[in-house]
Amino acid sequence: SQQGEEDPQALSIQEGENATMNCSYKTSINNLQWYRQNSGRGLVHLILIRSNEREKHSGRLRVTLDTSKKSSSLLITASRAADTASYFCASGYNNNDMRFGAGTRLTVKP
Amino acid sequence: EAGVVQSPRYKIIEKKQPVAFWCNPISGHNTLYWYLQNLGQGPELLIRYENEEAVDDSQLPKDRFSAERLKGVDSTLKIQPAELGDSAVYLCASSFISTGEQFFGPGTRLTVL
Repeated sequence: SQQGEEDPQALSIQEGENATMNCSYKTSINNLQWYRQNSGRGLVHLILIRSNEREKHSGRLRVTLDTSKKSSSLLITASRAADTASYFCASGYNNNDMRFGAGTRLTVKP
Repeated sequence: EAGVVQSPRYKIIEKKQPVAFWCNPISGHNTLYWYLQNLGQGPELLIRYENEEAVDDSQLPKDRFSAERLKGVDSTLKIQPAELGDSAVYLCASSFISTGEQFFGPGTRLTVL
């Protein structure tokens, strides 16, 4: 079963705009990861944020983590058509368990 | 460096037939995962291996699914007999440590008719 929830389920924006996706989880985590999946392909790791971190950057990606609200957000700045994909958060729990959310389908229109 | 290799990429079978999937993880990765992914959903863990030991198989339907990871490297996932509801993409992933960055294979798309 999936233990994370993401919203929105789908997001459509114009190229150049920013895209924000949110993820919530249910119990205490060790870390939280974000992955991207292009249609018909495997998942690709984007970024990992540990439970004692609040923000992390990687290129045009910014991830925040709020452990008090059990939530995380992924911001993609200056989006490109090539960013069109599904984005998943994965919660890493202290028992070495990791669970994926249902994902956000992002469409970036040129 | 080669990524995670899975075969076959596609498989079409009739219900009640057996089917097997193979995965070769990235060299040196001790942890191997099998996931099931339905259309429009995230991956759902079926089984996680640490070396050759299955440390989490709580979501594996053991009446029809089985898996093995001989010598702690390659792994096979088997379904016998397959049911219509098993149609999905089966993903294999590997990582150095549990809860670390996972590297995914391209998946096997199974269609059960």
